[in-house]
Amino acid sequence: KAGVTQTPRYLIKTRGQQVTLSCSPISGHRSVSWYQQTPGQGLQFLFEYFSETQRNKGNFPGRFSGRQFSNSRSEMNVSTLELGDSALYLCASSLGDKANEQYFGPGTRLTVT
Amino acid sequence: GNSVTQMEGPVTLSEEAFLTINCTYTATGYPSLFWYVQYPGEGLQLLLKATKADDKGSNKGFEATYRKETTSFHLEKGSVQVSDSAVYFCALIRMDSSYKLIFGSGTRLLVRP
Repeated sequence: KAGVTQTPRYLIKTRGQQVTLSCSPISGHRSVSWYQQTPGQGLQFLFEYFSETQRNKGNFPGRFSGRQFSNSRSEMNVSTLELGDSALYLCASSLGDKANEQYFGPGTRLTVT
Repeated sequence: GNSVTQMEGPVTLSEEAFLTINCTYTATGYPSLFWYVQYPGEGLQLLLKATKADDKGSNKGFEATYRKETTSFHLEKGSVQVSDSAVYFCALIRMDSSYKLIFGSGTRLLVRP
């Protein structure tokens, strides 16, 4: 089975711009979660989607949003980028039930200048 | 609240040495516990998991036992290799509520030949 894929792998944006990141889960997985990884804050949960519905949201400003499509693929969007948004954004997929083993993609490295 | 505490790194060992990385947690309810590993430039790989007290997770020579009485999930390996050099993350997820992983700060392991 193919693993979780994320595109693009690397991105450079300017402050004030917006960005969209994409994640394709493992086939058959219906849950997609997003995490932000930074040296200072570590790994922080952004949100989780299951069957196109957001089930959980972390403590991030409204500039961070996401959605999930009927094929379980997910996108996250960050508007009005700030320097502090520079991070590795990781997507994880799971079956979505209480087993909850989450499998991660390689991440998208976002640099905001 | 729920949290995970890991020992500070880096941990530097010689090849074939014994490895222990300490992890303790605070959680209400009955969490499942995980160890993930991150190699340079990559996403997180699930290393092992345990879903209830006294469970032992094991994979690739690594093992960890879910100790409810000491709220711990220490990672051990009997003989490390240079290829084990990576950052190791302990994490928990509460099965009775949110679907988000809560991570420790990570412990960098460096194995010298």
